[in-house]
Amino acid sequence: QVQLMQSGAEVKKPGASVTVSCKASGYTFISYGIIWVRQAPGQGLEWLGWISAKNGDTYYGQKFQGRVSMTTDTSTSTAYLELRSLTSDDTAIYYCARSPAHLGWFDPWGQGTLVTVSS
Amino acid sequence: QSVLTHPPSVSAAPGQKVTISCYGSTSNIGNNYVSWYQQIPGTAPKLLIYDNNQRPAGIPDRFSGSKSGTSATLDITGLQTGDEADYYCGTWDSILNTAMFGGGTKVTVL
Repeated sequence: QVQLMQSGAEVKKPGASVTVSCKASGYTFISYGIIWVRQAPGQGLEWLGWISAKNGDTYYGQKFQGRVSMTTDTSTSTAYLELRSLTSDDTAIYYCARSPAHLGWFDPWGQGTLVTVSS
Repeated sequence: QSVLTHPPSVSAAPGQKVTISCYGSTSNIGNNYVSWYQQIPGTAPKLLIYDNNQRPAGIPDRFSGSKSGTSATLDITGLQTGDEADYYCGTWDSILNTAMFGGGTKVTVL
């Protein structure tokens, strides 16, 4: 079955960077894209961006432009999210999900990765 | 505050029907497909409806979606205790060039 498996929880200091990975299985990786969404404690869902696994094209949320990078490794069917210059406001659960296009639906979702930013 | 709005909570007894509306504008719901997600506390979101009214395999027909103009609706009939969750609408905004979600509606089964 289609699955996305994310890397484990991270604790970072303000100003640091974090990289979260998302390994896909059960489908042809390059036939879809991957989106990244985060959820701060007790809050709703916030879209960070989308990357095409076929050609690396990206769409980033305006709020994150300049400090986010999304990449993929087709040899291992893995997507990566890097977020730089972390502040306490970046403390959240980060999810990846499969998506057919930047404006498409999201299914399935990874289990989530908790990123805590604290001094 | 989200560009897409829906009521913060709805409730009904088991077996009843709830309707969750999601309000947007011409740049998002009005000209793009809407999807709906269910998030049971402590778990990842799950796709319930895509392309306004399509159900993925395995989603019961108790869940249905529709869209009219700049608003979308999710109906849940035959409400069950397992339906207690937060529900989010999602779509693309063609002016902001970003995907967006509503703020979430908490469904409580009385």
